[in-house]
Amino acid sequence: QKEVEQNSGPLSVPEGAIASLNCTYSDRGSQSFFWYRQYSGKSPELIMFIYSNGDKEDGRFTAQLNKASQYVSLLIRDSQPSDSATYLCAVINSGYSTLTFGKGTMLLVSP
Amino acid sequence: DAGVIQSPRHEVTEMGQEVTLRCKPISGHNSLFWYRQTMMRGLELLIYFNNNVPIDDSGMPEDRFSAKMPNASFSTLKIQPSEPRDSAVYFCASSLESGPLDTEAFFGQGTRLTVV
Repeated sequence: QKEVEQNSGPLSVPEGAIASLNCTYSDRGSQSFFWYRQYSGKSPELIMFIYSNGDKEDGRFTAQLNKASQYVSLLIRDSQPSDSATYLCAVINSGYSTLTFGKGTMLLVSP
Repeated sequence: DAGVIQSPRHEVTEMGQEVTLRCKPISGHNSLFWYRQTMMRGLELLIYFNNNVPIDDSGMPEDRFSAKMPNASFSTLKIQPSEPRDSAVYFCASSLESGPLDTEAFFGQGTRLTVV
């Protein structure tokens, strides 16, 4: 069973702080990793994807990948109340082009 | 493009009734996914189509569930008979798959199913 694990939270941070969201995965053959954001009652939307070990930055967001440790993280700098949502980590399964999702971490950014 | 379109947005039905959920993927996309989301289990993949062919249906819970993709622009997920434990939000997603790294899935707005 290929698993993606996330802390359910909620993770509470004050406005302007850095939010750090973490994810581990079990399928060592996984090659691609995605972070989706889901607002309450809405559908998931892609924030970032990462294929290579190391960091990838896009505006206030940085994805970090460590394949040896089977670990993916998402950093949100200068957190805003509008960032309050559930963040879903997703992994492409080896062998198929399907995404396995973690259950998500709820982020709450207080003004 | 209008994105992935699902219908209905909400469905309330009685136990034992047949339910059909519909999805129109983004034009040009060659992969389609049906997911189910609950608080307890999160987002679970039910079935994956590529070029209208079912590739992986290992997530379909049981024989009560069936899915079809008769053409590139339409898919259905049917539950018959429905049970209260089927209550969930069902998402359809599509992607343009051009290699093993490319599966940026775009989600529809979902169908909230309540079986009473």
